[in-house]
Amino acid sequence: DAKTTQPTSMDCAEGRAANLPCNHSTISGNEYVYWYRQIHSQGPQYIIHGLKNNETNEMASLIITEDRKSSTLILPHATLRDTAVYYCIVNNYGQNFVFGPGTRLSVLP
Amino acid sequence: SAVISQKPSRDICQRGTSLTIQCQVDSQVTMMFWYRQQPGQSLTLIATANQGSEATYESGFVIDKFPISRPNLTFSTLTVSNMSPEDSSIYLCSVETSGTNTGELFFGEGSRLTVL
Repeated sequence: DAKTTQPTSMDCAEGRAANLPCNHSTISGNEYVYWYRQIHSQGPQYIIHGLKNNETNEMASLIITEDRKSSTLILPHATLRDTAVYYCIVNNYGQNFVFGPGTRLSVLP
Repeated sequence: SAVISQKPSRDICQRGTSLTIQCQVDSQVTMMFWYRQQPGQSLTLIATANQGSEATYESGFVIDKFPISRPNLTFSTLTVSNMSPEDSSIYLCSVETSGTNTGELFFGEGSRLTVL
């Protein structure tokens, strides 16, 4: 079973920041938080991952709470092409990835 | 990163037949994974395929139904045997790139299978 809970769906206005929450209250000390997304009819795409510090790359920022029980993926300026299902996954390196249902993000014009 | 090619990209098959899906990676990788995504659902791991050893299957998946080959570090096949309409899914190949120490997965575009 997935170790995370995410909202089923979210909307975001184009050009605005999209903030996608994820709860992972049972995360253990050596488990990372990974985010992937799946655009319709494509394979999942890696976005970002982190352990306890906040992370940023060219696609997104990942904010992890101090207790590590939740995190937020931030797309700073959402575009229509960011419409996708976003998966938050908790995993230890070397373990198999378990995908939950994810959050369906719709970016609206 | 890794570029993954899957063949076929889609197929329509008759009940009772078998189909082999190929996965080719542009670099050598240790770990390859096969996932299934049923219509409207999330991804489910079928098995892990490491070169030189038998594939490791997840609960609910068996080798007789989903035989896997992994002849080298850049290639794998998944066969869906004795197909039924319930096998209609997208089958995805995934790899974990060695040496990056990030644990991130790269996915192919998937093979969309429809069983009539």
